[in-house]
Amino acid sequence: EAAVTQSPRNKVAVTGGKVTLSCNQTNNHNNMYWYRQDTGHGLRLIHYSYGAGSTEKGDIPDGYKASRPSQENFSLILELATPSQTSVYFCASGMGGNTEVFFGKGTRLTVV
Amino acid sequence: SQWGEENLQALSIQEGEDVTMNCSYKTYTTVVQWYRQKSGKGPAQLILIRSNEREKRSGRLRATLDTSSQSSSLSITGTLATDTAVYFCATLNYNQGKLIFGQGTKLSIKP
Repeated sequence: EAAVTQSPRNKVAVTGGKVTLSCNQTNNHNNMYWYRQDTGHGLRLIHYSYGAGSTEKGDIPDGYKASRPSQENFSLILELATPSQTSVYFCASGMGGNTEVFFGKGTRLTVV
Repeated sequence: SQWGEENLQALSIQEGEDVTMNCSYKTYTTVVQWYRQKSGKGPAQLILIRSNEREKRSGRLRATLDTSSQSSSLSITGTLATDTAVYFCATLNYNQGKLIFGQGTKLSIKP
């Protein structure tokens, strides 16, 4: 079973602070994704990556940066966190093409 | 948005009944994936149906895809209480590599 590990699992941040969410996969998957999910809603794509060194904007990239320094790691960075970014964030990975995508357990971020 | 005006729907049925969930999409896709998300967990893929397939089965699950109407459905036969979850459809554009989710259906199975 492919594994995607997110850290931290819970985070409380102050408004205006910098937040980094980390994601690691050891599946040798090319594609990685960051989503946010607000209560009672679906998942919205923030950023994704095709491989080390690449980042692409998803549907809601404003206020977020992404970094893919290696095949295994994909980070989501909030340079200036705002309360509107309070949400649950999911990382996912997949081989690309028409193949299965695997999700981490999520990070609950609260910005106060 | 890739998806139609599909808000999070809620369905509540009795255990043992069959259920069908629908979704529609706006633009070209090479595959539709259906996911299940249980409370407090990340989504897990249930079934994947490619654009050249009209139907795909896996156990009690059946997915259909109609590329002409840009719609897909997921049916569950003989539902169990453990099927209680939120179900999402998602489209994957092979060329772009983007996996985009629809709003989902919150399914509650009453024992």
